[in-house]
Amino acid sequence: AQKITQTQPGMFVQEKEAVTLDCTYDTSDPSYGLFWYKQPSSGEMIFLIYQGSYDQQNATEGRYSLNFQKARKSANLVISASQLGDSAMYFCAMREPIFTDSWGKLQFGAGTQVVVTP
Amino acid sequence: NAGVTQTPKFQVLKTGQSMTLQCAQDMNHNSMYWYRQDPGMGLRLIYYSASEGTTDKGEVPNGYNVSRLNKREFSLRLESAAPSQTSVYFCASSRQADSYNEQFFGPGTRLTVL
Repeated sequence: AQKITQTQPGMFVQEKEAVTLDCTYDTSDPSYGLFWYKQPSSGEMIFLIYQGSYDQQNATEGRYSLNFQKARKSANLVISASQLGDSAMYFCAMREPIFTDSWGKLQFGAGTQVVVTP
Repeated sequence: NAGVTQTPKFQVLKTGQSMTLQCAQDMNHNSMYWYRQDPGMGLRLIYYSASEGTTDKGEVPNGYNVSRLNKREFSLRLESAAPSQTSVYFCASSRQADSYNEQFFGPGTRLTVL
């Protein structure tokens, strides 16, 4: 079964605007971690932000924030004040504990391609 | 401090050939991972090593073997390459193999099997 779903294959956003990338996840374990990674055209995977399932507040890292709605099992990434350098593929990922049947593996969604236009 | 390094960056193989992808990390991380990335499918875990001396299968282990040579190095071997193994391969590491440790990725190896 698909654990991480990213329903937006691609989106355009204008420079300086904010963009929200959707991510929903499926787990029955109360303890898990949610991650967002950026993959520019050069190919490397860059860690952006982390949200733990027990964290009371939404995670923020500079222009990145995570809109965590636990009851809805969603962990949307918000990029504020988009820049041309934000053009990339963005992946949402989840990690369940080692003792679950996923054995602590990082499970990725299919990604969302973001293109920032001037 | 190079982080996670991978060699080679690019490789072309013929069906049936073998090769080993090398990965090393200098962050003193305990856990290391191999993923493959195919278009439209995100990353899928091939094998991982939670700590030195242990390796476990991930989601798509068939056709691959791994060796955790020491704490720094984790290699992936294709014994008899097939066109279905054409992909981009990423190595990653994390401090521990638990839910709140982010993984740091290498630059990837682009492999084509003809």
